[in-house]
Amino acid sequence: GDSVTQMEGPVTLSEEAFLTINCTYTATGYPSLFWYVQYPGEGLQLLLKATKADDKGSNKGFEATYRKETTSFHLEKGSVQVSDSAVYFCALREEIKAAGNKLTFGGGTRVLVKP
Amino acid sequence: SQTIHQWPATLVQPVGSPLSLECTVEGTSNPNLYWYRQAAGRGLQLLFYSVGIGQISSEVPQNLSASRPQDRQFILSSKKLLLSDSGFYLCAWSLSYGRDQAFFGQGTRLTVV
Repeated sequence: GDSVTQMEGPVTLSEEAFLTINCTYTATGYPSLFWYVQYPGEGLQLLLKATKADDKGSNKGFEATYRKETTSFHLEKGSVQVSDSAVYFCALREEIKAAGNKLTFGGGTRVLVKP
Repeated sequence: SQTIHQWPATLVQPVGSPLSLECTVEGTSNPNLYWYRQAAGRGLQLLFYSVGIGQISSEVPQNLSASRPQDRQFILSSKKLLLSDSGFYLCAWSLSYGRDQAFFGQGTRLTVV
């Protein structure tokens, strides 16, 4: 079945440091890929997405490129801020014939940015 | 516009008591609906998803069940709660076609004591 694997946290960084969160996936078809973010005390919200190979999603300074050859969707940001402290979830959505769409998440990576 | 309502926001229940968490979606038809659990210190685990009324797919064997009595209503239930059922439960919906994002409710924090 589908699965998403992302690096375990917590990841602790200083402000203005470079952030990378690795994400790889296993899927039988051609999924869409997403990064969701959960800020402290809040629900999940979409950060960025890519729906086909080589697409790059970007938002709030974060970027991720859909790499079909390596089945990866790594999240990067060049200069993090304290406000980026959150839990980040990689996810895929795949259409399952006769069973609709299924959304699968990775385990989440907690990021803590210190001033 | 579409909205998702999930309630209650917090719940404290004794072991062995029943559970019913409700989620409703407005502003869309025939959505895919999902229940996730986020246990303390762990990631997001898909419990159930539904592609239509009365159609429930269970992802993991457990003490919980789900039902979809109406197109935009998704209910998570248990007959007898266990301590291990404690966690943060999230309802979500997505369009039934295409490959677009999911939208999440605000979650229910369940503590079983």
